[in-house]
Amino acid sequence: DSGVTQTPKHLITATGQRVTLRCSPRSGDLSVYWYQQSLDQGLQFLIQYYNGEERAKGNILERFSAQQFPDLHSELNLSSLELGDSALYFCASSVGVTSGYPYNEQFFGPGTRLTVL
Amino acid sequence: DQQVKQNSPSLSVQEGRISILNCDYTNSMFDYFLWYKKYPAEGPTFLISISSIKDKNEDGRFTVFLNKSAKHLSLHIVPSQPGDSAVYFCAARSRSESNAGGTSYGKLTFGQGTILTVHP
Repeated sequence: DSGVTQTPKHLITATGQRVTLRCSPRSGDLSVYWYQQSLDQGLQFLIQYYNGEERAKGNILERFSAQQFPDLHSELNLSSLELGDSALYFCASSVGVTSGYPYNEQFFGPGTRLTVL
Repeated sequence: DQQVKQNSPSLSVQEGRISILNCDYTNSMFDYFLWYKKYPAEGPTFLISISSIKDKNEDGRFTVFLNKSAKHLSLHIVPSQPGDSAVYFCAARSRSESNAGGTSYGKLTFGQGTILTVHP
């Protein structure tokens, strides 16, 4: 158990709909990252938040948005869903000091499997 | 543009033998490399890492080698065990400039993964 929790585990919805994925980081971790894993693909970085602020952005679609709340949990909002959005969505967290550290290990949650029909 | 590539989708090895998983990258700005292991229905788990200033890092049965001139890294598992059967992802860290100023070292770029099967 990594200490990172994600809800829901599975989500089935229809095209055009909007969903919210939730992530609670490990206790004490300030950074939250979102990744998408489509079929036969590696994990694609979407976005990073550090202590409530956006810190880095990857190939995140404009239909997707995220935020990190004062209690440090994060939500990923996916709207106007398309069939191609079906994927595993992982959240990871780390201590997340943004500079001066050689590396902060990222701990991954179990993922949310999104199926768009 | 796949900046981190794992060209072998799968690898099958006999228990007790060596498993070698390979990874190639193209971005010279990567400064840290990692291997993650993933079991079905679980998130990736950090396994071992190496800084770009080193060429080898060892942790028990796991050793990662980095060849910067060839932009290649490999993970050696010796001896392989059936419990090592999983998907292995190679990942690389790069520096990102944040919108709010400052830098972030968080972004990881992953390869597509290699399915390792260790037979008893």
